[in-house]
Parts: sequence; structure tokens; C-alpha cells
Amino acid sequence: KQEVTQIPAALSVPEGENLVLNCSFTDSAIYNLQWFRQDPGKGLTSLLLIQSSQREQTSGRLNASLDKSSGRSTLYIAASQPGDSATYLCAVSGGAQKLVFGQGTRLTINP
Amino acid sequence: DAGVIQSPRHEVTEMGQEVTLRCKPISGHDYLFWYRQTMMRGLELLIYFNNNVPIDDSGMPEDRFSAKMPNASFSTLKIQPSEPRDSAVYFCASSFGGIYNEQFFGPGTRLTVL
Repeated sequence: KQEVTQIPAALSVPEGENLVLNCSFTDSAIYNLQWFRQDPGKGLTSLLLIQSSQREQTSGRLNASLDKSSGRSTLYIAASQPGDSATYLCAVSGGAQKLVFGQGTRLTINP
Repeated sequence: DAGVIQSPRHEVTEMGQEVTLRCKPISGHDYLFWYRQTMMRGLELLIYFNNNVPIDDSGMPEDRFSAKMPNASFSTLKIQPSEPRDSAVYFCASSFGGIYNEQFFGPGTRLTVL
């Protein structure tokens, strides 16, 4: 059974710093990996989707990497801003379990 | 496009009552998913539809839960009778072209069962 783990559970950094969020998964037979952002009381917003054949995807200040063989993905946020404060979730898809989510990392950017 | 629309946004009910949650997917999307989010278990897939047909309901916790999709633009998730442990945020999501393609989520319905 696929399990997705995100470390740390919470992170607080000053504005302007570059930061990395981590995601690991137990079964490397995935179809793709997605990073989502969730703001309090709101739904999920898809940030980046990496296909299993890809190594990374970039969107603006966000860069996500995927190392399928080691079961790891990272989300890099450059020049963090207070508006980046949210919970970030990674999710892997593939096989019978469809989309399996991690518990998320709650990010706070301090002005 | 307005995105995925869910109603109501908040629902408070008493144990034993019937609860119906509603979802309108993005126009043209052929997959619809229902998820439940709790602090203890995180986000879990309950059921998904393809072209209005339920494909996999293995995530539905009990027979008290049922879901329908009478047409391409409307789906319901019903809980009857509701119990306090059903309290959670229920999300609807839709995608186009494949079960593993990018999913777009609605704002969720926060359900509280007293």
C-alpha cells in the first residue's frame, strides 16, 4: 500500500528565504506526482504536476523535482513571500490507490 | 470557467439526519472525485466517476454513504444516517482525460454532525 510522508509537518521562515519542502513515498511505481497548496478554509490548488518520466517541473518561483527510484520529491520555493504561507501537500498517483496524499507541510513566511 | 462548485459550504446537522452534499464539476471534465479530509486521516478518496458512471467506490466508509452522478454537470454525496464521526471537510474534484491527470478541487463542504 502506497504511503506518502511529508517532513517537516510545519515550517516557519523569514521572508525572502529560499526553502525546500520534502515528500517521500514508499512505492516507486507511480504515474505522476502533484504538489498542491491549501489555504485555510479553502480547497486545493494544483501547483505542479510531474510525470513519472520527468525529473523536474518549474512554475515561477516554484521548482519541483522527482527521484522516482528513491521515492522522493522536493518542492523548492525561491525568495519566499508572506503570500506563500499555506499548507503544501504532495500526492502520488498510480495503481489501485489512485491519488494518495501526504499529511502536508504547514508553511509560515514571516514578514 | 467558475471552477468546481460545491454546496453548501458549511453544514451543521444532528446525528441521525440525512445530509446531501452537491458538486458541479468543470464543464467538459469527464472524471469526478469525492474526497474526505480529517485531521487524523488526511485526504482520502471516497469514490470516483467516469462519464457519470461510478468506477471505484472502495473508499466509501460504510453503507451509510452513497454517491450519484445523474448527469455530467452534477453529483451528490449523501450520508444517511449521519454520525458525529462523519464530521470532516468533503471535497469534490474533477479532471479531464484520465484518472491520473491533473485534478481541480472545489472549495469543500465543512460538515459538522452534533
